[in-house]
Amino acid sequence: ELKVEQNPLFLSMQEGKNYTIYCNYSTTSDRLYWYRQDPGKSLESLFVLLSNGAVKQEGRLMASLDTKARLSTLHITAAVHDLSATYFCAVDIGAGNQFYFGTGTSLTVIP
Amino acid sequence: DAGVTQSPTHLIKTRGQHVTLRCSPISGHKSVSWYQQVLGQGPQFIFQYYEKEERGRGNFPDRFSARQFPNYSSELNVNALLLGDSALYLCASSIGPSGDYEQYFGPGTRLTVT
Repeated sequence: ELKVEQNPLFLSMQEGKNYTIYCNYSTTSDRLYWYRQDPGKSLESLFVLLSNGAVKQEGRLMASLDTKARLSTLHITAAVHDLSATYFCAVDIGAGNQFYFGTGTSLTVIP
Repeated sequence: DAGVTQSPTHLIKTRGQHVTLRCSPISGHKSVSWYQQVLGQGPQFIFQYYEKEERGRGNFPDRFSARQFPNYSSELNVNALLLGDSALYLCASSIGPSGDYEQYFGPGTRLTVT
């Protein structure tokens, strides 16, 4: 059974600090996606990582993928309150648009 | 261009009833996937349709069914509703069927079963 695990599940951090969210998955995949979800809202695509070693950055967020370690990271630099949300990673195991989502990381940035 | 649209936004049903949820993909997108998101959890894959054919099915009972129409819109049907079916149902569309194409999610339908 495919498992996609994120840690931490809950993260409370002060504005201006840096932190990393980890996403581990249990099967071979070279496609990984990061989404953001605000309370009561749908999913907003953040990053699409399609190969080993892929690194993408947008603003204060940077995502990377290591397919050999089956690990993706989402790094937050100098956090601001607007980044408070739940972040999900999702893995495509090669069967099409059939994503397997992680458990989610609920991030709260404290002023 | 309009994004993925879903209807209705909210729905309240009673146990044992039937429900139909609707999804219109982004114009030009031929792949539609459905996901169930229970409160506090990540979305779970239910179905994928591409060019009106089922391409994948997640670990859901036969009470769940779906179809895709010639205009690529899609319906998700759930029979004999259970309390555990209460969730946010998300539809996502993509240009093609593979993971090379980004999926765009709709706003979801919030289903409450009482």
